[in-house]
Amino acid sequence: QVQLQQWGAGLLKPSETLSLTCAVYGGSFSGYYWTWIRQPPGKGLEWIGEINHRGSTDYNPSLKSRVTMSVDTSRNQFSLKLDSVIAADTAVYYCTRGYYYGFDFWGQGALVTVSS
Amino acid sequence: DIVLTQSPDSLTVSLGERATINCKSSQSVLYSSGNKNYLAWYQQKPGQPPKLLIYWASTRESGVPDRFSGSGSGTDFTLTISSLQAEDVAVYYCQQYHRSPRTFGQGTNVEIK
Repeated sequence: QVQLQQWGAGLLKPSETLSLTCAVYGGSFSGYYWTWIRQPPGKGLEWIGEINHRGSTDYNPSLKSRVTMSVDTSRNQFSLKLDSVIAADTAVYYCTRGYYYGFDFWGQGALVTVSS
Repeated sequence: DIVLTQSPDSLTVSLGERATINCKSSQSVLYSSGNKNYLAWYQQKPGQPPKLLIYWASTRESGVPDRFSGSGSGTDFTLTISSLQAEDVAVYYCQQYHRSPRTFGQGTNVEIK
């Protein structure tokens, strides 16, 4: 059974960098799109971007200038960095596994709050 | 970007009755070479991540009860819960993976009457 476990800082000040990592347990690491999705409190879901095991990325244009994703295949981990955070970046951030049929396995979610 | 518009925003249904959620896409999500619609449905309960219910518009994910079904093609899709159970109270989202950026509908809140 595939499990995704994520971690990272939960409280940031404006202009700081958000940093989250997700570890994948079970299943293959190659052949999938390792994805970050966020959900502001009480709101809907926003796709941030994805990375594959080779390190090829695709980012949401709305966040592209501030987002960097990376992958560590030796540890089956992938990471998200979001620069210059603002209050509007406050959200639950999910890591998830993407494929040609959608997102089938999800991390537990991590609330990141941006506040001065 | 492909915009997905769900209707209604909120739905109240009696136990055992049918619940129907619609999702309209601003562009076709039909991948013609494979004749598959790249549209999925998710269920999200409070405090939990979304759960994949349906993919390719009508294929039920393993373990999903058969009271959940998906239909539609091109730009118009429907998620049907044939007989609503108490555990089905949740927010439901459609999502397209035909084009980048991947996008979601705004969500439909399903409650018990």
